[in-house]
Amino acid sequence: KNQVEQSPQSLIILEGKNCTLQCNYTVSPFSNLRWYKQDTGRGPVSLTIMTFSENTKSNGRYTATLDADTKQSSLHITASQLSDSASYICVVSGTWDMRFGAGTRLTVKP
Amino acid sequence: NAGVTQTPKFRILKIGQSMTLQCTQDMNHNYMYWYRQDPGMGLKLIYYSVGAGITDKGEVPNGYNVSRSTTEDFPLRLELAAPSQTSVYFCASSPRTANTEAFFGQGTRLTVV
Repeated sequence: KNQVEQSPQSLIILEGKNCTLQCNYTVSPFSNLRWYKQDTGRGPVSLTIMTFSENTKSNGRYTATLDADTKQSSLHITASQLSDSASYICVVSGTWDMRFGAGTRLTVKP
Repeated sequence: NAGVTQTPKFRILKIGQSMTLQCTQDMNHNYMYWYRQDPGMGLKLIYYSVGAGITDKGEVPNGYNVSRSTTEDFPLRLELAAPSQTSVYFCASSPRTANTEAFFGQGTRLTVV
């Protein structure tokens, strides 16, 4: 059973619009949660990392939130650009391992 | 700074053939990992290593082998390729445990026919 669930599976938005991606997890014990961006044909690249005590983290136009009580996280992208077209992967770390969500495929259209 | 380098980028194998996927990192990271990524699925851990000479199985190790003779290199060996091994393979490294950021290579797309 995959312990990290992401929604939606795919999303299409117009350039300049905002969007929010969701991540629910059941990984326990919990160490940290990261959002990765994966461009087509490339390896994932880290965007943000949050520990148990953090509930928000920003990286430019990307803002991640974490609710450790409900085990939910979101990634909000502001003023989207064509270069934001990619898969966004939620990764939850336990004691030593990482559990990957299946990702949300975001397409930004002009 | 090259980071994590994987070769080859693409490969087509026939059923029963063998091959080695190469992975090298120049960041002096102790931890290295091999993942496979199937369409619509999250990355699954195949094998990992916490340092030279030490390797252990991940979630989906069957059909694969690894070795870690140096800090820099972590090759993944497929002995008898099967169609179920058609996937994109990613190598990653991190300074310490999975609690620290992992850096990924660009991936190897493998097709077994």
